[in-house]
Amino acid sequence: DARVTQTPRDKVTEMGQEVTMRCQPILGHNTVFWYRQTMMQGLELLAYFRNRAPLDDSGMPKDRFSAEMPDATLATLKIQPSEPRDSAVYFCASGQQAVKGDNEQFFGPGTRLTVL
Amino acid sequence: LAKTTQPISMDSYEGQEVNITCSHNNIATNDYITWYQQFPSQGPRFIIQGYKTKVTNEVASLFIPADRKSSTLSLPRVSLSDTAVYYCLVPTGANNLFFGTGTRLTVIP
Repeated sequence: DARVTQTPRDKVTEMGQEVTMRCQPILGHNTVFWYRQTMMQGLELLAYFRNRAPLDDSGMPKDRFSAEMPDATLATLKIQPSEPRDSAVYFCASGQQAVKGDNEQFFGPGTRLTVL
Repeated sequence: LAKTTQPISMDSYEGQEVNITCSHNNIATNDYITWYQQFPSQGPRFIIQGYKTKVTNEVASLFIPADRKSSTLSLPRVSLSDTAVYYCLVPTGANNLFFGTGTRLTVIP
């Protein structure tokens, strides 16, 4: 049963520290998404990649967030420096996107980040 | 920019059929409509997707009228385990999905 995996599942850190979250998309999927979910804002798209190329990161605070796909099996989301307002659950999702309009995305379990 | 409007919350008794309607007045010609379900402490899960008329799978049915400005997710005979947040989505760009706040469905015994 293919699944998106994310590490770590939980992260508690102090303000100013660097945080790196990792995601392994489902093998064969060509699109990877990063989302952030908070009670106040709901689920927000931060960035997404197709065939490892970044297509849109307009939802991401550029000064402190960065997203990369070093290879097809790994996507990373980094926050440096972290701030308390970054506390949220971060989800990674992957999809096949083989057909235009195909919006089925498979979500990972999320990384719960707490910045003190 | 295609966005969606759906009720914030709904309550239903076990065993009833639940219909959640979503409006998407600015949907583009080629856009599909997608519904996701999210349980607490989990990532959203794809339920169903459609372009027009009716789509049915083992979990739900999706009804889309001819003008495609709205859609209705139908959950037959809900159980307590169907208590979740349901999101109606249409793309906001090239396969971008705007989740919004969804509809919180509470199934009552």
